[in-house]
Amino acid sequence: SYELTQPLSVSVALGQTARITCGGNNIGSKNVHWYQQKPGQAPVLVIYRDNNRPSGIPERFSGSNSGNTATLTISRAQAGDEADYYCQVWDSSTGVFGGGTKLTVL
Amino acid sequence: QVQLQESGPGLVKPSQTLSLTCTVSGGSISSGSYYWSWIRQPAGKGLEWIGRIYTSGSTNYNPSLKSRVTISVDTSKNQFSLKLNSVTAADTAVYYCARDPGYCSGGSCFYWFDPWGQGTLVTVSS
Repeated sequence: SYELTQPLSVSVALGQTARITCGGNNIGSKNVHWYQQKPGQAPVLVIYRDNNRPSGIPERFSGSNSGNTATLTISRAQAGDEADYYCQVWDSSTGVFGGGTKLTVL
Repeated sequence: QVQLQESGPGLVKPSQTLSLTCTVSGGSISSGSYYWSWIRQPAGKGLEWIGRIYTSGSTNYNPSLKSRVTISVDTSKNQFSLKLNSVTAADTAVYYCARDPGYCSGGSCFYWFDPWGQGTLVTVSS
């Protein structure tokens, strides 16, 4: 089965740029999607198909995907961005999630 | 805009069957050629995709749960449902339902989940 690897935690200073990675075998050949989950809330889609933002998601959120690594980039990080972030792909008719990364804004 | 709401018992005894329903509002479950998924999250842990259904009744299941899962759809009620049998404490989790938008190219299709329901906690305990 396909596996996605994310760092357990990432820290970023307020106003700086955070990068959260998602590793997988030849992940660049797949579409990667990213979700933000705040405590006690359902996940929210923030990036779909590698680098597309749903309506209502700030331009500060962007994505890239190449080779064996996909990256979610959050520019000008705000306190409200502190959350868990999950990457997701579709493989062999199965939804696959990464283990999640806790983003801390310092 | 489409909204989803999970409902069902919050407590299930070990070895019994967990049953949940997701009600779709703000649009027809049959429109737009979408799949509809169930996803769960144990407390303090990550997300696990359980399975999905198309309005035709076609299903896909997570291989790790396939032997215990059944997902069905009732288009007349704008609902889809989850049954998970022979539950244990390891099935205790928040269960979410979600819509699966998708994109197909070159013979491959890719799906994501949006929107999600608010989630419902199911505890397996005697």
